[in-house]
Amino acid sequence: GDSVTQMEGPVTLSEEAFLTINCTYTATGYPSLFWYVQYPGEGLQLLLKATKADDKGSNKGFEATYRKETTSFHLEKGSVQVSDSAVYFCALSDGSNYQLIWGAGTKLIIKP
Amino acid sequence: GAVVSQHPSRVICKSGTSVKIECRSLDFQATTMFWYRQFPKQSLMLMATSNEGSKATYEQGVEKDKFLINHASLTLSTLTVTSAHPEDSSFYICSASGQIMNTEAFFGQGTRLTVV
Repeated sequence: GDSVTQMEGPVTLSEEAFLTINCTYTATGYPSLFWYVQYPGEGLQLLLKATKADDKGSNKGFEATYRKETTSFHLEKGSVQVSDSAVYFCALSDGSNYQLIWGAGTKLIIKP
Repeated sequence: GAVVSQHPSRVICKSGTSVKIECRSLDFQATTMFWYRQFPKQSLMLMATSNEGSKATYEQGVEKDKFLINHASLTLSTLTVTSAHPEDSSFYICSASGQIMNTEAFFGQGTRLTVV
């Protein structure tokens, strides 16, 4: 079945560092790909998404490119802030019933 | 984006009692709603999928008599944890999708349930 694998955390960085959180997927069809963020004590929020190969999703300085050849959707940000500290989830949807397949989540800690 | 409101955000209940959690889509018709449970430091575990007007489909290992799901209208789904026990303490999150949403789901804020 479809699955999502993302790098284990926690990832600890200093403020203004470059961020990459890896995400790879397996899917039989042509899924849509998502990054969700969960800030401490809050529910999930959609961060960005891409619905077809080579699409780039971007929001709040974060971006991820849908790479079909490497089945990847890595999350990047050029300069992180303390406020970016959260748990980030990669997910896919095959669109058949809106159900999302989730990665395990990566906790990001940004130190001042 | 579309708004999904989940209530309450936190609840503490005594062991043996029942707790109801509501999930409402505020500005769209949610034909499908999902209920998730999140254990500490783990990803979301899908508990059940519900379509408006029909019985929920539960994932393997989820007790349907313990976690009652009702999706009576296109804007409201409820999860009732019956005869709660301390091991039911968790973070419960709902999400909702509608036909106009393509593949995207929108999430409620989550409910932190603590059973004492």
